Parts: sequence; C-alpha cells; structure tokens
Amino acid sequence: EVQLVESGGGLVQPGRSLRLSCAASGFTFDDYAMHWVRQAPGKGLEWVSGISWNSGSIGYADSVKGRFTISRDNAKNSLYLQMNSLRAEDTALYYCAKDVKTYSSSSGAFDYWGQGTLVTVSS
Amino acid sequence: EIVLTQSPATLSLSPGERATLSCGASQSVSSSYLAWYQQKPGLAPRLLIYDASSRATGIPDRFSGSGSGTDFTLTISRLEPEDFAVYYCQQYGSSPTFGPGTKVDIK
Repeated sequence: EVQLVESGGGLVQPGRSLRLSCAASGFTFDDYAMHWVRQAPGKGLEWVSGISWNSGSIGYADSVKGRFTISRDNAKNSLYLQMNSLRAEDTALYYCAKDVKTYSSSSGAFDYWGQGTLVTVSS
Repeated sequence: EIVLTQSPATLSLSPGERATLSCGASQSVSSSYLAWYQQKPGLAPRLLIYDASSRATGIPDRFSGSGSGTDFTLTISRLEPEDFAVYYCQQYGSSPTFGPGTKVDIK
C-alpha cells in the first residue's frame, strides 16, 4: 500500500523558514518523480514544486521560485521542501504527491497524495 | 503559464443523471497532458483521469475524459451519491497548473 506522510508544518512568523518532509513507502520511490501541492484554506489547488526520479529535473511555481527548494533522498525514501522568506500568502495545507508515471520529469499528474501538513504564516 | 478555466462553476444534478464538466486552456496543452481530480471535504484529491482520457487505477468506468488542444471534458455517465464533490482539471504539459474547480452538488 502506497503511503505518503508529511511532517514539519506549523505556525511561523513572516520572513522565517520551515522545512517540510514527506516519508514514502509502498512503492519504489526512486522510480518516480515527486511533487508538493498546496491548498490555501477554502481555496483551490496550486502546484508548488516537482522533482524528477533522479533529481535531474526540478521545477517551481513562479510564486515560490527563489524562496523554496525541493530535494529528495532516495536512500531514505524521503522528499523535502525547504521554505525560506515565508509570506502570509504561503499559508496552506501542503501535500506531498507521487507522479503517476515512472521516470517522468518534474511535471506530471499525481496518483497518490499524503494527508497534508498545515503551514500557517502569521505574526 | 497555461491558465485553465472550468465551467460551470457549480453543477446541480440528481443521482443517475449525466454530468459534463469542461476545462479550457489558454494555450494548447502539449501531448494532451491533462488530468482530472475529485476532492471531497477534508480529504486529499483523488486522481480520476490522466493523459486526457486514461482512467487511473481503480476508477469506475462511469468516469471518462476526452479532448485535446485547448478543450477537455470530464463525463460522469450516471452520478452515484458518492460522486458529489469538487472536480479540478490540471495540465502538466508545461509547469503544472490547476483549474479553479467545478462543484457538483445534489439538486
């Protein structure tokens, strides 16, 4: 059974940093691209960032480019999102999601999602 | 960035009826890299369709996707009670973007 478990969310002041983690199990992690998708309270979905199976291709939404960094550790079956210079508009539930296809790039569709970790940016 | 629009914003139907949801793109979606998701309150989204017309694993055949270029459609042939939810389209031919969603509610 595929499982994605996010952690690291919380309340943080504007301008500060936070690191999200996603622990994956139930599939061959290093065969798949992985992504972060967020959803602000009561709003729609926004893709944040994606990373290919071998970290050779990485992409970011314009809204986070230069502030967020995605990475993965295939030996630990883990995905990360380093979030710097956080803003109020980054407040959202952050989902870790698995790409539906093997060996895809940093852009894809998402067939498994975690339960999300809530990030609240407020003073 | 490819901007996606969805219509209608809300679709009010009865169980057993057919639902037709539309997704339009501001420019052509390469290779028909278009997906559809269902989301219920308090839950993560569920992938229904990818590559415009391929059903994801475990998705009932009452869900079907079609379209290419800038115009795509999700059809639910006969609505079941569990199908009332919000539906999002997403393109991944370039940097991924989502549409604003269509809410399918009970008439």
